[in-house]
Amino acid sequence: DTAVSQTPKYLVTQMGNDKSIKCEQNLGHDTMYWYKQDSKKFLKIMFSYNNKELIINETVPNRFSPKSPDKAHLNLHINSLELGDSAVYFCASSPGTGANTEAFFGQGTRLTVV
Amino acid sequence: QKEVEQNSGPLSVPEGAIASLNCTYSDRGSQSFFWYRQYSGKSPELIMFIYSNGDKEDGRFTAQLNKASQYVSLLIRDSQPSDSATYLCAVFTSGGSYIPTFGRGTSLIVHP
Repeated sequence: DTAVSQTPKYLVTQMGNDKSIKCEQNLGHDTMYWYKQDSKKFLKIMFSYNNKELIINETVPNRFSPKSPDKAHLNLHINSLELGDSAVYFCASSPGTGANTEAFFGQGTRLTVV
Repeated sequence: QKEVEQNSGPLSVPEGAIASLNCTYSDRGSQSFFWYRQYSGKSPELIMFIYSNGDKEDGRFTAQLNKASQYVSLLIRDSQPSDSATYLCAVFTSGGSYIPTFGRGTSLIVHP
């Protein structure tokens, strides 16, 4: 059983389009995250969502918006896609906000904007 | 800005040797430290975490933490070719919401 699942695994789209990436976790975790990993492997936090509290990395363009219909889902919507948005996007979840909580990652979504 | 620094490598070691991976962090209030391994094309997976000064051992892996020097390391004993991967250091920062901040990762190559 997949703990944190993302769909799609690959996404190729044209500049200017709007796309969504879905994320679901079946671990019963309270906190979910979205990370962007660039070509140099740098994992950069985009959003953290815990108990309806959204923490946004202020460097993330407002074209990116997370949507959480319930505790088990945190989807990522991206408007007006740009070439620089090409990256691997990882969803993750953790049990809570304690300092020793491990983050479990989904398999990643490779987004290519052409 | 809270930063986590790692040497990008690659670090190349022969099979059977000890691989030493290092990480420094800027936020003195950081409370816990995680090491993740990421194979090419895969997602990060946790190896171990540490939150007290000193050493923590788990099989072939030892994490070392020195909060005074803001330094955390991972030692891999008896390195195997299957250990070849990128190793990511993650730091949980203080201030209410625990968001893991990652370093850029160190690429490890273990050659036979």
